Amino acid sequence: KAGVTQTPRYLIKTRGQQVTLSCSPISGHRSVSWYQQTPGQGLQFLFEYFSETQRNKGNFPGRFSGRQFSNSRSEMNVSTLELGDSALYLCASSYIQGNEQFFGPGTRLTVL
Amino acid sequence: GESVGLHLPTLSVQEGDNSIINCAYSNSASDYFIWYKQESGKGPQFIIDIRSNMDKRQGQRVTVLLNKTVKHLSLQIAATQPGDSAVYFCAENTQGGSEKLVFGKGTKLTVNP
Repeated sequence: KAGVTQTPRYLIKTRGQQVTLSCSPISGHRSVSWYQQTPGQGLQFLFEYFSETQRNKGNFPGRFSGRQFSNSRSEMNVSTLELGDSALYLCASSYIQGNEQFFGPGTRLTVL
Repeated sequence: GESVGLHLPTLSVQEGDNSIINCAYSNSASDYFIWYKQESGKGPQFIIDIRSNMDKRQGQRVTVLLNKTVKHLSLQIAATQPGDSAVYFCAENTQGGSEKLVFGKGTKLTVNP
């Protein structure tokens, strides 16, 4: 069974631009969560989706948004990029709530 | 803010030794805990999990211990191998009905041959 896939793997943007990242969960998994990883803040929860509904959101500004499609694939969008948005963005999926979450390889975003 | 803390940022062991990585968590209501391993350039890899109704769980070469009295979690790796070198994170689920995980800062394990 294929693991969680994320595209693109690397991305370079400039301040003020917007970016969309994509995540395909493991087949059959309906829950998708997003995390931001930086050297200073570590792994921080962004949001969580289940059956196309956002169930929880972390403490990030409104520039960070996401959605989930009927096939459980998810996208996250960051608008008006700032230098501090440079990070590894990780997606995780799980079969049902409360079970282990499996992470993808991440998308490395660099904002110049 | 909320966080799961780690006692040591780095740990260096000899190949074949047993490793113990510790973690202190802050939310006594947390009911699910996971250990992840992250190698350079990769996403976190699930190692083992434990629920709050247990105090010990064993996997292949790994054991997780949970002490709810002092809110302490540990990961024991038996016969540590060079391939075990990575950053290890503990994570807790603090909100029932949510997948949200709160991660510790991580411990970098280095295995010397």
